[in-house]
Amino acid sequence: EVQLVESGGGLVQPGGSLRLSCAASGFTFSSYWMHWVRQAPGKGLVWVSRIDHDGDSTAYADSVKGRFTFSRDNAKNTLYLQMNSLRAEDTAVYFCARGYCTTASCYTSSAFDVWGQGTMVTVSS
Amino acid sequence: DIVMTQSPDSLAVSLGERATINCKSSQSVFYSSYNKTYLAWYQQRPGQPPNLLIYWASTRESGVPDRFSGSGSVTDFTLTISSLQAEDVAIYYCQQYYSIPYTFGQGTKLEIK
Repeated sequence: EVQLVESGGGLVQPGGSLRLSCAASGFTFSSYWMHWVRQAPGKGLVWVSRIDHDGDSTAYADSVKGRFTFSRDNAKNTLYLQMNSLRAEDTAVYFCARGYCTTASCYTSSAFDVWGQGTMVTVSS
Repeated sequence: DIVMTQSPDSLAVSLGERATINCKSSQSVFYSSYNKTYLAWYQQRPGQPPNLLIYWASTRESGVPDRFSGSGSVTDFTLTISSLQAEDVAIYYCQQYYSIPYTFGQGTKLEIK
């Protein structure tokens, strides 16, 4: 079964740090571009970051650039989102998601065909 | 950034009737080199992660019922549910993946009338 499972969320004070993980299973993880998307309570979806299949290239939303770092360990089939200098506005459920691939190739830009259940991050004093 | 605007914000439709949700992008999401439109639709039921329904503007994801269809081009897109079922109650989002930052519409809440 294709699966993504996030962990590492919790309550953190403003200015603090947190590292999220996303464990992948059921597919050839090292072939896929991956993403983080967040959703503040009662709000819509916001794309956060993207990483290419081997971790050499990343991209970030302006709101997190310089504070968040997206990385991956293909040997462990795991993604990481290191979040520093956290702010109240970072409070959200964080989803990891897989970029779509065909049987022939993976696209650098694609829809997100598999999502994890999400992990809640609360930034509050 | 490409701004995605959905209409309406909420919609109530009777069971068995057609539901139509619109999405407009602030610039074209058609990539002529690949002849592809970088637009997706997602369904999010309460307490659940989003679920991909449609990609490349009109390609239905595997396992998605054929009552869901996507149409449109360049900057104007539509998600149609041909015959509403009770399990279709959800929030629906369009998304462009043409350029970073990938952006979503604000969502359309679909309810039963």
